[in-house]
Amino acid sequence: EAGVAQSPRYKIIEKRQSVAFWCNPISGHATLYWYQQILGQGPKLLIQFQNNGVVDDSQLPKDRFSAERLKGVDSTLKIQPAKLEDSAVYLCASSLWGTVQETQYFGPGTRLLVL
Amino acid sequence: DQQVKQNSPSLSVQEGRISILNCDYTNSMFDYFLWYKKYPAEGPTFLISISSIKDKNEDGRFTVFLNKSAKHLSLHIVPSQPGDSAVYFCAATGNQFYFGTGTSLTVIP
Repeated sequence: EAGVAQSPRYKIIEKRQSVAFWCNPISGHATLYWYQQILGQGPKLLIQFQNNGVVDDSQLPKDRFSAERLKGVDSTLKIQPAKLEDSAVYLCASSLWGTVQETQYFGPGTRLLVL
Repeated sequence: DQQVKQNSPSLSVQEGRISILNCDYTNSMFDYFLWYKKYPAEGPTFLISISSIKDKNEDGRFTVFLNKSAKHLSLHIVPSQPGDSAVYFCAATGNQFYFGTGTSLTVIP
């Protein structure tokens, strides 16, 4: 079974530029999560999708971050414009149904550096 | 506001000995707890979990203990192996996942 795929693996941009990350979850998984992991901290949930609908985006900085999962499969996370403090690893995860007791399967992450 | 805390950023243990990783949480509404393991350049992988109705869950070399009154959980690895060297995150769920800051475990051969 293929795991969660993410691209790119690394990205370096200057502040005020825009950037987009892509995630393809495990086939058949209805729930998709985007996390931000700043160096020295644990992953912080940014947004959770159930199929193509948003379940929770309470911690997503909506003035600059956006995410979509139009067909209920793969997803993109965009930052526009980027700030220095957005430097982090962006992790995508998926689970079958999205219940809290389900295992989430994580992708390798995209490491973003904003200069 | 860090609702899940891992106060030890790093831990070194000799191979064959016990590794004990600790985690504290503040929200008494959390009802499910998990441990994830993370190798460099990889995403976290699920290790073991425990429901709030239990105080212990065991899976091979890994045991998680939950003390609800103290809002504390711990992960025991016995015996520790060099391949266990990784960053370990505890996580707690209520209506959302909250991760701790991680503990880097080094198992010395």
